[in-house]
Amino acid sequence: GAVVSQHPSWVICKSGTSVKIECRSLDFQATTMFWYRQFPKQSLMLMATSNEGSKATYEQGVEKDKFLINHASLTLSTLTVTSAHPEDSSFYICSARQGDYGYTFGSGTRLTVV
Amino acid sequence: GQNIDQPTEMTATEGAIVQINCTYQTSGFNGLFWYQQHAGEAPTFLSYNVLDGLEEKGRFSSFLSRSKGYSYLLLKELQMKDSASYLCACQDSNYQLIWGAGTKLIIKP
Repeated sequence: GAVVSQHPSWVICKSGTSVKIECRSLDFQATTMFWYRQFPKQSLMLMATSNEGSKATYEQGVEKDKFLINHASLTLSTLTVTSAHPEDSSFYICSARQGDYGYTFGSGTRLTVV
Repeated sequence: GQNIDQPTEMTATEGAIVQINCTYQTSGFNGLFWYQQHAGEAPTFLSYNVLDGLEEKGRFSSFLSRSKGYSYLLLKELQMKDSASYLCACQDSNYQLIWGAGTKLIIKP
């Protein structure tokens, strides 16, 4: 089946530094990638939708200059959290669409900013 | 507006049957998904319904009524490993996923 590989699984960083999270589709081409954030005991919150070769579409309230998304190829999308602060600590998950109906999730990245 | 409602938490006994309901209001409809999510892990796909009726897949079944804006996930022969959150998500007319808040299912021996 389709696999999306997400790295790192967890990361601890100092406040003010930047963190890059990668999602790779291993056996299919992901023209669209979705980036979610999930706080404890809450549901998934869509942050942005990225399409290969174009700028990402951000949801209302998500700072595009803080959460940089790059989808340079059909198999790789990255999310960079710039100048991270403790309130950015969360579980970040990517998801790739296959056609109109299939979605495959990465394994998630637990970010802790200290 | 768009809205997905599902119970916050449910408790059931090992070996029993439990039904998790989901009601939705979306701008257009292109199918409904159920996902399972264990704590600290990403969601995993359980089912997809786009037509009315019951879809059975092993111990799990999912039902959809488009006229009522209603779906349920039925879990049979519950096992302790089924303790997880179950997320209902609808795909709207733009093929965007609208997520419910999830139902935390607690299985007791």
